[in-house]
Amino acid sequence: DAKTTQPNSMESNEEEPVHLPCNHSTISGTDYIHWYRQLPSQGPEYVIHGLTSNVNNRMASLAIAEDRKSSTLILHRATLRDAAVYYCILRETNMNYGGSQGNLIFGKGTKLSVKP
Amino acid sequence: DTEVTQTPKHLVMGMTNKKSLKCEQHMGHRAMYWYKQKAKKPPELMFVYSYEKLSINESVPSRFSPECPNSSLLNLHLHALQPEDSALYLCASSQVYVDVTGELFFGEGSRLTVL
Repeated sequence: DAKTTQPNSMESNEEEPVHLPCNHSTISGTDYIHWYRQLPSQGPEYVIHGLTSNVNNRMASLAIAEDRKSSTLILHRATLRDAAVYYCILRETNMNYGGSQGNLIFGKGTKLSVKP
Repeated sequence: DTEVTQTPKHLVMGMTNKKSLKCEQHMGHRAMYWYKQKAKKPPELMFVYSYEKLSINESVPSRFSPECPNSSLLNLHLHALQPEDSALYLCASSQVYVDVTGELFFGEGSRLTVL
């Protein structure tokens, strides 16, 4: 499985932007970059995904480097509710039945704390 | 309805007990997943079902036995577990299995304690 590297933890102030980095230097051309987050005592939830272009949705923005070896999840105005573990995950397009490629495989993630 | 419902929320069992965890979704999804999450660790994939057939078993011990009786329901049967199997068991679903752009919807999990 392709690997990602994220900082163990980050801190943010409420109502300020947060930039969560992810390195994925071994990414292949058809791997999708997914972000999930897990709030305390809850299951993970989807945040955003992208392939090459930057992506925006109601929750966040995803900025993907031109060489695709890194990406950044941007929360435009952090709230206390955004305190969670954020996971950056690569999903390989080359999926075969019986193989694990393309499955959602979680790394260690970044624990985001938001201060009032 | 975008919910994945897991029952029970908490389960305590002895090493000789047989119990089951249940997961239900009514989104018409044809892929369902079991993950295991130990405290302060990321979720680990255990099983994947696609169209009610087992597609992936990530070398999970046979004391965990999954079952997918229909497209909405996923069970995890537990027998002769060890204390180290104590964890949060998460169920998820997605529209289809092979779409890597698809979103997985997770339940809140069943917290299992093995005494």
